[in-house]
Amino acid sequence: DTGVSQNPRHKITKRGQNVTFRCDPISEHNRLYWYRQTLGQGPEFLTYFQNEAQLEKSRLLSDRFSAERPKGSFSTLEIQRTEQGDSAMYLCASSLGGANTEAFFGQGTRLTVV
Amino acid sequence: AQKITQTQPGMFVQEKEAVTLDCTYDTSDPSYGLFWYKQPSSGEMIFLIYQGSYDQQNATEGRYSLNFQKARKSANLVISASQLGDSAMYFCAMSPGGTSYGKLTFGQGTILTVHP
Repeated sequence: DTGVSQNPRHKITKRGQNVTFRCDPISEHNRLYWYRQTLGQGPEFLTYFQNEAQLEKSRLLSDRFSAERPKGSFSTLEIQRTEQGDSAMYLCASSLGGANTEAFFGQGTRLTVV
Repeated sequence: AQKITQTQPGMFVQEKEAVTLDCTYDTSDPSYGLFWYKQPSSGEMIFLIYQGSYDQQNATEGRYSLNFQKARKSANLVISASQLGDSAMYFCAMSPGGTSYGKLTFGQGTILTVHP
């Protein structure tokens, strides 16, 4: 039974560098979500995909952030010109479409910008 | 806009006792879902229980039950017979109905500590 997989688990980068995270959802799940969680807070919604279509983006997703899900399977989240404020846990989740379906989360990628 | 409020930053409970974690919500959507997730120190969010806004009965999943009071806009989690492994952060969350279903708004969480 494979759950949601995220890589890398940890990333340390220098301010100004670009970083890319990958998320592999549960195979039959057509919805994929990205969240950001800072220390001591609940996760905050960033964006979500239905298959390959990006249906909604949060205002938190500045123009330095871009997410893709090119074939409706795995997804990538890229942050360009990283800032110290980008340091957080980035969580990916997937679900089946429709009501009464919970989202399953990966273990997250912890980003530290130094 | 949807909002979740968890007013208990931390809770303590004795092993084998029951504990209630509070959650209130605010939304103008007629249809929505309410969720509880557990986040241990490893970081993974673990789904515990779901309640739909039109469900007449309170949801139960093993030792977890959701005390849903729609008029009060509350969705408290009750954990019966607490175990040491229940020590973790607990998040209440909600999602809107319709095509945005699954997009979750989380509260700030409650840290539960179970004492032996």
